[in-house]
Amino acid sequence: NAGVTQTPKFQVLKTGQSMTLQCAQDMNHNSMYWYRQDPGMGLRLIYYSASEGTTDKGEVPNGYNVSRLNKREFSLRLESAAPSQTSVYFCASSEAGGDRPLHFGNGTRLTVT
Amino acid sequence: QKEVEQNSGPLSVPEGAIASLNCTYSDRGSQSFFWYRQYSGKSPELIMFIYSNGDKEDGRFTAQLNKASQYVSLLIRDSQPSDSATYLCAVTGDNFNKFYFGSGTKLNVKP
Repeated sequence: NAGVTQTPKFQVLKTGQSMTLQCAQDMNHNSMYWYRQDPGMGLRLIYYSASEGTTDKGEVPNGYNVSRLNKREFSLRLESAAPSQTSVYFCASSEAGGDRPLHFGNGTRLTVT
Repeated sequence: QKEVEQNSGPLSVPEGAIASLNCTYSDRGSQSFFWYRQYSGKSPELIMFIYSNGDKEDGRFTAQLNKASQYVSLLIRDSQPSDSATYLCAVTGDNFNKFYFGSGTKLNVKP
């Protein structure tokens, strides 16, 4: 049972390049989330998907897009990377919203130069 | 903007002591409360969750919730060096789908 799987683990981009972070969960969870974590800032919600077919903005959505491809997969796209997007990105899933805990993937460490 | 506040620490305690971690939140509508532990370079892992006022115990860990005062705390009894990590507090608002995190408290347990 893999839980939440994120790829890639590490990525270096140049300013202006694009990339997609992939996330898949095998726990049959309805809700999926993308967070970024910066030193001293805690985890900030970028986008979330309460169920297949729906997505909503979180606290820091600018510069990102998401796709809930199916119940298992939720991807995060950076169309034109900026140095301010250097961060550690975590995907998470939850069984049925906020009364059930988040389960996190192992994270993607992204550096934009 | 919903706010979750934690003292960044570091909080240093000797091995075997009780570590007390605190968290306050701004949204009175917050419904669910979670404590996560995060080791350096790793992803957060769930320690406990609490929904109702009062105490909830799980092994060496006790979560305490006071909705009137808008704070939630985590007590770690018989602290071990392996408890040294950053502890993140998370709350959900009236929109159950959004989890808001504090910036975390770094705990050091000294042998």
